[in-house]
Amino acid sequence: DAGITQSPRYKITETGRQVTLMCHQTWSHSYMFWYRQDLGHGLRLIYYSAAADITDKGEVPDGYVVSRSKTENFPLTLESATRSQTSVYFCASSGGWPDTEAFFGQGTRLTVV
Amino acid sequence: ELKVEQNPLFLSMQEGKNYTIYCNYSTTSDRLYWYRQDPGKSLESLFVLLSNGAVKQEGRLMASLDTKARLSTLHITAAVHDLSATYFCAVLVGAGSYQLTFGKGTKLSVIP
Repeated sequence: DAGITQSPRYKITETGRQVTLMCHQTWSHSYMFWYRQDLGHGLRLIYYSAAADITDKGEVPDGYVVSRSKTENFPLTLESATRSQTSVYFCASSGGWPDTEAFFGQGTRLTVV
Repeated sequence: ELKVEQNPLFLSMQEGKNYTIYCNYSTTSDRLYWYRQDPGKSLESLFVLLSNGAVKQEGRLMASLDTKARLSTLHITAAVHDLSATYFCAVLVGAGSYQLTFGKGTKLSVIP
């Protein structure tokens, strides 16, 4: 399917476990982003990438790791999940950032127990 | 630190009425974005405003940007129920930056 897809859609994990959220886009967009959305905080940028093998920290990167070996994939790993990382995670991509829009995936709802 | 404030945060309006959502931001930026989010869904891009004085319209929604006042508005004309959603503005942190700072969102309910 064309577009940007995230997997899984829902995930429950235990504190201390490593978990990886996947993001795949079919447009060959250069720019990709990971946001988390929390009540009271809105959306906050975790990491972003301007191209394959180029990544940089956003506003709230602690506890997260990203990689981008291929243009179409941008996985987000929580190295040792904590309850404060319970959130809805959105991946986004853009072909002409910041002059064009970013398209968001459907989100992953992560619960850390 | 860039701060983005939307108001109102909650808006209940009758069908057929007009209203404006305001987005103020605290530091210089010339890129502003509006998104829509339905409950439990993803974000949908509405407008990308790239310069001072930019105005864009799509259907019953019109967005404008005044970079000197650090203000963007999203105007709703003759609201219909289908416009019920949460609307976010987001501002690029600064020149050469890729980072967005989002407002907290305006939850719009359009009632018959």
